[in-house]
Amino acid sequence: NAGVTQTPKFRILKIGQSMTLQCTQDMNHNYMYWYRQDPGMGLKLIYYSVGAGITDKGEVPNGYNVSRSTTEDFPLRLELAAPSQTSVYFCASSARTGGNEKLFFGSGTQLSVL
Amino acid sequence: GENVEQHPSTLSVQEGDSAVIKCTYSDSASNYFPWYKQELGKRPQLIIDIRSNVGEKKDQRIAVTLNKTAKHFSLHITETQPEDSAVYFCAATLTGGGNKLTFGTGTQLKVEL
Repeated sequence: NAGVTQTPKFRILKIGQSMTLQCTQDMNHNYMYWYRQDPGMGLKLIYYSVGAGITDKGEVPNGYNVSRSTTEDFPLRLELAAPSQTSVYFCASSARTGGNEKLFFGSGTQLSVL
Repeated sequence: GENVEQHPSTLSVQEGDSAVIKCTYSDSASNYFPWYKQELGKRPQLIIDIRSNVGEKKDQRIAVTLNKTAKHFSLHITETQPEDSAVYFCAATLTGGGNKLTFGTGTQLKVEL
């Protein structure tokens, strides 16, 4: 199993550009999450999904959008990129069945908005 | 919403010593408390977790304790080794709507030879 796969690993955007961060998992997990990690600030939840067709906002959703058309894929869309969105983005998934709540993280996307 | 505070932000110990990282949480209904380790440039990985019906859990050199009354939990690493050097994050569930985890701000642990 590949686990959780994120692309791209690095990206530089200009202010106002848009992009989609891709995330796919092959563990048949129902739950998927997007976090951003800023230095010294821990991981902040952007959006999450409890299954295909269902998404909900986390702590810091402004400036982002998500979709969940399949169990495997959970892309994160940045519209009109701003310098405040410079961060490392992690996608994660969990089974959440039988009390198993372990998060499996992707390898992250380093995004710079200049 | 849930708030998780983590201390210290940095911790330096000598190899073989013990390390303790503490977290407090605000939501008394929280019932799941995991700890994640993140090595430099890598993804976070779960190392141990505890649920609210248990006071302590051990796994070899690491242990976690939970005090529900005081709303704090701690990570204990004994006989530290250089490979323990990493950033450690505590987290707690946010009750209501998906049990979303709220993470602490992290502790940079450095184990010196």
